[in-house]
Amino acid sequence: DAGITQSPRHKVTETGTPVTLRCHQTENHRYMYWYRQDPGHGLRLIHYSYGVKDTDKGEVSDGYSVSRSKTEDFLLTLESATSSQTSVYFCATGNRGDTQYFGPGTRLTVL
Amino acid sequence: GESVGLHLPTLSVQEGDNSIINCAYSNSASDYFIWYKQESGKGPQFIIDIRSNMDKRQGQRVTVLLNKTVKHLSLQIAATQPGDSAVYFCAENPGGSYIPTFGRGTSLIVHP
Repeated sequence: DAGITQSPRHKVTETGTPVTLRCHQTENHRYMYWYRQDPGHGLRLIHYSYGVKDTDKGEVSDGYSVSRSKTEDFLLTLESATSSQTSVYFCATGNRGDTQYFGPGTRLTVL
Repeated sequence: GESVGLHLPTLSVQEGDNSIINCAYSNSASDYFIWYKQESGKGPQFIIDIRSNMDKRQGQRVTVLLNKTVKHLSLQIAATQPGDSAVYFCAENPGGSYIPTFGRGTSLIVHP
């Protein structure tokens, strides 16, 4: 798993509450990514980072924000969770032109 | 929650058979390709990769074939085992990009 951890691994929350997911890597990879995975959709990119404090939007970024204050940590925040954000969230890390390595995932349920 | 394997093409094989999983990619500028395996409840795991200057690459029990003419990638698994049951998907990376495009995947079911 290239030293990638995600926390929490499971979370149940209510609509309208803020949620923050954390990704931590020990591989010193420059790039970090947040994906969501839903049946029928595969992996969809939410946000990514190409360096400390450098982030950009992916294809499904609405309702999500990210921050990267250190090389090893990438946070994904749902400012006001909605039921449509119920999903499995994966963090990935990598370097340009190389494979991505994925974390174990966080299963988020928004009631 | 629903398994990621639902709604995906499925390949069912018997233990010991060889499996072939196919992937069509879209970007003719892609020069790096990766196969991932995802077991239920886990994150995708790197299996094997290939760059566009190669047509074939072999690993342990796995072989990836690349046909750039028709933009097609395949993963061959020799002597498939029950532990190979998972969703397999490919990813393509255009030259110099750090954002791959992932295929939706194929669910492989291996019957003992």
